[in-house]
Amino acid sequence: GNSVTQMEGPVTLSEEAFLTINCTYTATGYPSLFWYVQYPGEGLQLLLKATKADDKGSNKGFEATYRKETTSFHLEKGSVQVSDSAVYFCALKTSYDKVIFGPGTSLSVIP
Amino acid sequence: DTAVSQTPKYLVTQMGNDKSIKCEQNLGHDTMYWYKQDSKKFLKIMFSYNNKELIINETVPNRFSPKSPDKAHLNLHINSLELGDSAVYFCASSQAPGSNYGYTFGSGTRLTVV
Repeated sequence: GNSVTQMEGPVTLSEEAFLTINCTYTATGYPSLFWYVQYPGEGLQLLLKATKADDKGSNKGFEATYRKETTSFHLEKGSVQVSDSAVYFCALKTSYDKVIFGPGTSLSVIP
Repeated sequence: DTAVSQTPKYLVTQMGNDKSIKCEQNLGHDTMYWYKQDSKKFLKIMFSYNNKELIINETVPNRFSPKSPDKAHLNLHINSLELGDSAVYFCASSQAPGSNYGYTFGSGTRLTVV
């Protein structure tokens, strides 16, 4: 079946450090891939997306590239800020409108 | 204006009670969803409605019953609440089934069953 795997957290980084959160997926067909972010006490917000192989999604300094050959969609940011502290969810969408979320990775950025 | 709004934000109730959570979206989206987030932040889809029609019904106890009076509203009614129902419930919407625009989520309803 379809599934999403993310690196386990929590991840703790110092401000201005480089961030990578790994995400790999298993899916039939050609899924669209997403990253969502959940700030404390809030709902999920769409961060970025990619709909086909080799697409790069980007937003707010975050980037992820859809790699079909490695079935991956790793999230990166060159310099994290304290305000980036949140839980990050990788997700995929294949067949008729069902989005499957990964387990989430908690990120804490310390000054 | 809040795009997807849920009420109430917090709900504390005793086992065995019946409760409802309401959701409304003002985005003009055709499709709405209910997700359950457990204490480890794991998200699981429960239901999806497209223009008032049920299109996804995951393996959810039949104590949970969604109702969509129109495409802007999707309510969740829960009968005979159990301790294991304690979680955060999120409503979400999207433009249409199969679209790649992603979901817009509400801020969640934290349900605590005591």
